[in-house]
Amino acid sequence: DAGVIQSPRHEVTEMGQEVTLRCKPISGHNSLFWYRQTMMRGLELLIYFNNNVPIDDSGMPEDRFSAKMPNASFSTLKIQPSEPRDSAVYFCASSLWGTDNEKLFFGSGTQLSVL
Amino acid sequence: DQQVKQNSPSLSVQEGRISILNCDYTNSMFDYFLWYKKYPAEGPTFLISISSIKDKNEDGRFTVFLNKSAKHLSLHIVPSQPGDSAVYFCAASRLTGANNLFFGTGTRLTVIP
Repeated sequence: DAGVIQSPRHEVTEMGQEVTLRCKPISGHNSLFWYRQTMMRGLELLIYFNNNVPIDDSGMPEDRFSAKMPNASFSTLKIQPSEPRDSAVYFCASSLWGTDNEKLFFGSGTQLSVL
Repeated sequence: DQQVKQNSPSLSVQEGRISILNCDYTNSMFDYFLWYKKYPAEGPTFLISISSIKDKNEDGRFTVFLNKSAKHLSLHIVPSQPGDSAVYFCAASRLTGANNLFFGTGTRLTVIP
C-alpha cells in the first residue's frame, strides 16, 4: 500500500491567498483526520471524518479554515484567506474505525509557509 | 488547553544507555495511550501503546509504563541506538466514544554514538 498521500509537500504563499491541501487516505480506511503541528502546541486535531462525514470540527481555528471529503479516497483542507500564523506542518492521517482505530497512519505532511 | 503534556522538549543520551521519555495527562477519561515516533520530513508512525487496564507493555527495546494515579506515562528505550534519534509524541484517547487522539508537543531524542 502507498500509505497516506499528501500534496503538496511544501507550499509557500503570500498572506491573503487561498491555500488548498490535499490528502488521499489508505484504501479501505474509513476515518480521516487533519492535524496541524506547531512547536507550541504539538499535534492539534483540526477535524476528522468517519465514512466521509465530518464528525468533529471543533479544532478548526477559524472560519477561514474549511475541510471537505467528497469521497472515500480524497479530502481537502482549505485556508482562505491565509495568514502568517497559519504557517505550520499540516498532516493528514487515516485509520480503520472499529479496529485499531487509534493507530493512525500519517502522511508525510505539507509544510505551509505564509509570508 | 493541553490535555497531554511532554515537559521535556529535548533529551540526549549516549548510545547503549537507557532513554526515558515522560508524558503527563490531565483528562481522567483517557484510557488508552500511545507513543508515536517521527523522523524529519516524515509523518509520525505508531510505536507502542498501552491500555489503562495495564501498567506496563513491552515490545523489544521499548517499554511503556503507566501510572494512572499520577496520570503519568513513560517510554523506556533500552539500549538506545542512534537510529532511535527522532521526535517522540505521546498521545491519549478514550477507547469508547470519539476516535481522535490528543497529542503532546513532542520530545526530541538524540542518541549520541
